[in-house]
Amino acid sequence: GENVEQHPSTLSVQEGDSAVIKCTYSDSASNYFPWYKQELGKRPQLIIDIRSNVGEKKDQRIAVTLNKTAKHFSLHITETQPEDSAVYFCAASLSGSARQLTFGSGTQLTVLP
Amino acid sequence: NAGVMQNPRHLVRRRGQEARLRCSPMKGHSHVYWYRQLPEEGLKFMVYLQKENIIDESGMPKERFSAEFPKEGPSILRIQQVVRGDSAAYFCASSPPTPGKNTEAFFGQGTRLTVV
Repeated sequence: GENVEQHPSTLSVQEGDSAVIKCTYSDSASNYFPWYKQELGKRPQLIIDIRSNVGEKKDQRIAVTLNKTAKHFSLHITETQPEDSAVYFCAASLSGSARQLTFGSGTQLTVLP
Repeated sequence: NAGVMQNPRHLVRRRGQEARLRCSPMKGHSHVYWYRQLPEEGLKFMVYLQKENIIDESGMPKERFSAEFPKEGPSILRIQQVVRGDSAAYFCASSPPTPGKNTEAFFGQGTRLTVV
């Protein structure tokens, strides 16, 4: 089955700096890659996603890049703010949608004021 | 639209008891997924259900765990004879009947099960 590795497990950045979280996946047939933000004790919420026919997608301060050849994808957050502090999870799916996701182990992002 | 509703939010069970977790999908969603999150870990897929059908249960432990999504009412994740290792947050997600422009899966708030 699919396996998703996520790094780093913890990340601290100064407010205003950029943060980058990286994930690799094992199954080249995976075709949908969402990123979720989970605040303490709350539900995971989708912040951005990308499909295998696209190399990059951006939404304001958040961007995701996908390298299908290398089987890795990354989340980039620019101009970080304290409210960006949370656990971020990458995921991969073979179904082209958010069904039956395989999640990474998460990155605890702390934005220091 | 109230979103995906899970109840209870917190559930405490003694070892050997049964735990029943409920999930009502978003209105118009007919696909339900259950995930388990152990402390400080990612979410692990357990089971994918449609109304009255189990589509994929490859992530479900072979014993003590079962899930259903009846024609009427919420989806139920049932854990029999709970053990301490079952303590986790259990999240339910739902998605529309067919993948289209919006294929996001919406998560519920989760049920935090504690086995004492």
